[in-house]
Amino acid sequence: EVQLLQSGAEVKKPGASVKISCKVSGYRFIGYNIQWVVQAPGKGLEWVGLIDPEDGETKYAERFLGRVTISADTSTDTANLEVTNLQLVDSAVYYCTTWLYSGSSRSDHWGQGTLLTVSS
Amino acid sequence: IQMTQSPASLSASVGDRVTITCRASQAIGNFLAWFQQKPGKVPKSLIYAASTLQSGVPSRFSGGGSGTDFTLTISSLQPDDFATYYCQHYNNYPFTFGPGTTVAV
Repeated sequence: EVQLLQSGAEVKKPGASVKISCKVSGYRFIGYNIQWVVQAPGKGLEWVGLIDPEDGETKYAERFLGRVTISADTSTDTANLEVTNLQLVDSAVYYCTTWLYSGSSRSDHWGQGTLLTVSS
Repeated sequence: IQMTQSPASLSASVGDRVTITCRASQAIGNFLAWFQQKPGKVPKSLIYAASTLQSGVPSRFSGGGSGTDFTLTISSLQPDDFATYYCQHYNNYPFTFGPGTTVAV
């Protein structure tokens, strides 16, 4: 069974950093990209970026460039999202997700979400 | 690439046929996915490649379109379908989501 297990809720102060993890199981980690999606309270889904665990190549949405780092640890089958210089507006739920392809068929899998609260 | 959806929200009844439109600011082929999300829940993937249902998704859901204009249709709305629906393109980076369409009673 494919599972993406995210780390628990975080409470941080403005200016701090946070690292959210996404540990996968049930499939070959280095075979498929991991994406991160963010959802602020009452708002829609926003794509943050992705990583190819095989070579570590990353892509980011422009809004997150410079303040967000996505990484992957192939020894633990874990993807990470680090956000630095946290602002109040970073308070949101962060999801990891992967799209598994078998031929032309695709199955999507999501983590349970991690709530980040930034508060002074 | 910017994604727009219409309407932003709609009211419907069980049994209604519902159609949501998604438009891309430039052609994206068929690299378009649809997601359903209920309040406080993880998004659920419904459709990829514009019209291919994810495994386990009821056949009352269908997707269509290519290029810049896409649709998500629910042929007969069920109580479980009241939710917010998002489109997302994956033609190139970044994989932008649409703003969402809320289907309410």
